[in-house]
Amino acid sequence: RKEVEQDPGPFNVPEGATVAFNCTYSNSASQSFFWYRQDCRKEPKLLMSVYSSGNEDGRFTAQLNRASQYISLLIRDSKLSDSATYLCVVSSGPNRDDKIIFGKGTRLHILP
Amino acid sequence: ETGVTQTPRHLVMGMTNKKSLKCEQHLGHNAMYWYKQSAKKPLELMFVYNFKEQTENNSVPSRFSPECPNSSHLFLHLHTLQPEDSALYLCASSHPKRDRVSYEQYFGPGTRLTVT
Repeated sequence: RKEVEQDPGPFNVPEGATVAFNCTYSNSASQSFFWYRQDCRKEPKLLMSVYSSGNEDGRFTAQLNRASQYISLLIRDSKLSDSATYLCVVSSGPNRDDKIIFGKGTRLHILP
Repeated sequence: ETGVTQTPRHLVMGMTNKKSLKCEQHLGHNAMYWYKQSAKKPLELMFVYNFKEQTENNSVPSRFSPECPNSSHLFLHLHTLQPEDSALYLCASSHPKRDRVSYEQYFGPGTRLTVT
């Protein structure tokens, strides 16, 4: 099993729809989880951290399921500007020298 | 002033050249990172500096040599690279949390490197 795995997509979604995608991780000791977005030929930008209790920021909701070892990102009322690649980021363990691992990303295309 | 800047934005170099990539952050952070992003591969963390001290080297070949003279500047010195080293090299910075690095990172625009 890969350390961090994402469906590469692309997800082609009409504007205004709701879309969700997951990211699975293999290390049950992982402590920190994040979603970044990366536009084409641009740098990644932090979208949101993922807390144990879940968190919401406007149209975006992130959740953590430790039992099944995945995090999810839900985007409501999708906009054309949401088109990007969404990167899942997981720290590999609880220790000081834990590793940070990026997923390959899920491509999202919002269709007009 | 942009948070994290990188120069040059594009670089073409031969396998025998020596060049350096520069990163500067204006966010008051104390941790800085070098990443490599190749086509169809996930971001790979190369080096981590925390308060100017290198805390992580992810088995990166010695032809890549980092330098962190202060908490605002980070360099990546390149020599005798291989064509497979062609990639986007991204710098990032963050506030460290306690004695650990933080993964809430801010990235620079990257240097697109082509090795011929």
